[in-house]
Amino acid sequence: DAMVIQNPRYQVTQFGKPVTLSCSQTLNHNVMYWYQQKSSQAPKLLFHYYDKDFNNEADTPDNFQSRRPNTSFCFLDIRSPGLGDAAMYLCATSRWGTNEKLFFGSGTQLSVL
Amino acid sequence: ILNVEQSPQSLHVQEGDSTNFTCSFPSSNFYALHWYRWETAKSPEALFVMTLNGDEKKKGRISATLNTKEGYSYLYIKGSQPEDSATYLCALRGNTGNQFYFGTGTSLTVIP
Repeated sequence: DAMVIQNPRYQVTQFGKPVTLSCSQTLNHNVMYWYQQKSSQAPKLLFHYYDKDFNNEADTPDNFQSRRPNTSFCFLDIRSPGLGDAAMYLCATSRWGTNEKLFFGSGTQLSVL
Repeated sequence: ILNVEQSPQSLHVQEGDSTNFTCSFPSSNFYALHWYRWETAKSPEALFVMTLNGDEKKKGRISATLNTKEGYSYLYIKGSQPEDSATYLCALRGNTGNQFYFGTGTSLTVIP
């Protein structure tokens, strides 16, 4: 059974039209992450939550926002998608701790037309 | 932001061959090093979590070593099988928070 669920698997949006990607987890993990991966590049950390504490990476554009209304759900909002935002978006969770591994969703492939 | 590098970028091997990949990272920022396997159309899955210098981990035909002083980790696959075909990612957890920083991955194709 999937423990980290991302919807939708594929998302097509128009240039400049706001889009929201969702992630849910059944693991009750307190840390949730959003990564962006473009073709042949490393997954790039956008931000993460430790419980309700939001942590933005310094180079994450303001166009990207996130919400975590409760432990189970986390959303990635792209306010005005550009062509350069087309990518795979991965959600991951973990417990806080030295030896804790990441659990990933299957990702949302975003296309911007 | 921590720079993690992996090599080679891609690799094609024959079934039965053994192979290895490299992950390098800034040793001064080390807290933990993870290896993940990402098969096409699936989610990345953890292989190893390594925290101590000299750590060696093994899972079946796959093993990994860690050198935190010089900032590198090796992943070894013995007797590669077609089902080993995947992208292998390493991720560094830095010593200042919960962030994980990934390398670009090594794409392995095992030819039957």
